[in-house]
Amino acid sequence: EPEVTQTPSHQVTQMGQEVILRCVPISNHLYFYWYRQILGQKVEFLVSFYNNEISEKSEIFDDQFSVERPDGSNFTLKIRSTKLEDSAMYFCASTEETDTNTQYFGPGTRLTVL
Amino acid sequence: DAKTTQPPSMDCAEGRAANLPCNHSTISGNEYVYWYRQIHSQGPQYIIHGLKNNETNEMASLIITEDRKSSTLILPHATLRDTAVYYCIVRVAISTNAGKSTFGDGTTLTVKP
Repeated sequence: EPEVTQTPSHQVTQMGQEVILRCVPISNHLYFYWYRQILGQKVEFLVSFYNNEISEKSEIFDDQFSVERPDGSNFTLKIRSTKLEDSAMYFCASTEETDTNTQYFGPGTRLTVL
Repeated sequence: DAKTTQPPSMDCAEGRAANLPCNHSTISGNEYVYWYRQIHSQGPQYIIHGLKNNETNEMASLIITEDRKSSTLILPHATLRDTAVYYCIVRVAISTNAGKSTFGDGTTLTVKP
């Protein structure tokens, strides 16, 4: 069964450093998303991406964040200058273009900012 | 997206059916009901979805009331591995933005031996 994959599973970085989180969505999917979950809190929407542009973004997704689909398979989330409060699980999701657009989530990347 | 209300926690005996309720009284006509679960801090796992009719798959059944204001997820024979947080999400499916999912606090289901 096709799955969304994410790398790395755990990323440790120093405050102020740039990080890139990588996702490989399911191959025939056209819509891509990033969510995050701070420990003990809700899963929060960050951004959606379709047709090579951002469709929607939340207030969390400020200028420190960017997304890119650099090739036909990868979808990345970049945080330019990490802060302590960026420590969280980051989940990638994708949906195919059908009448129900079911979202499938990846296993997540745990980001720890020291 | 419509707001959902779920009980914060439920217990279920292993082998028995787990019935998880969800209220979504402000659901719109073009919104589907989706159920996901999250085990520990793993990625949310899709379970089932529906629009109007009851649905069943290999994991669960979804019962949606006729007025669509509430639904129930049924795990017919719960196992210890079904212990997780279960999220009920209503979401527009047909959209150029292919709508985001808005997660609430969900229901923590504990399956006990």
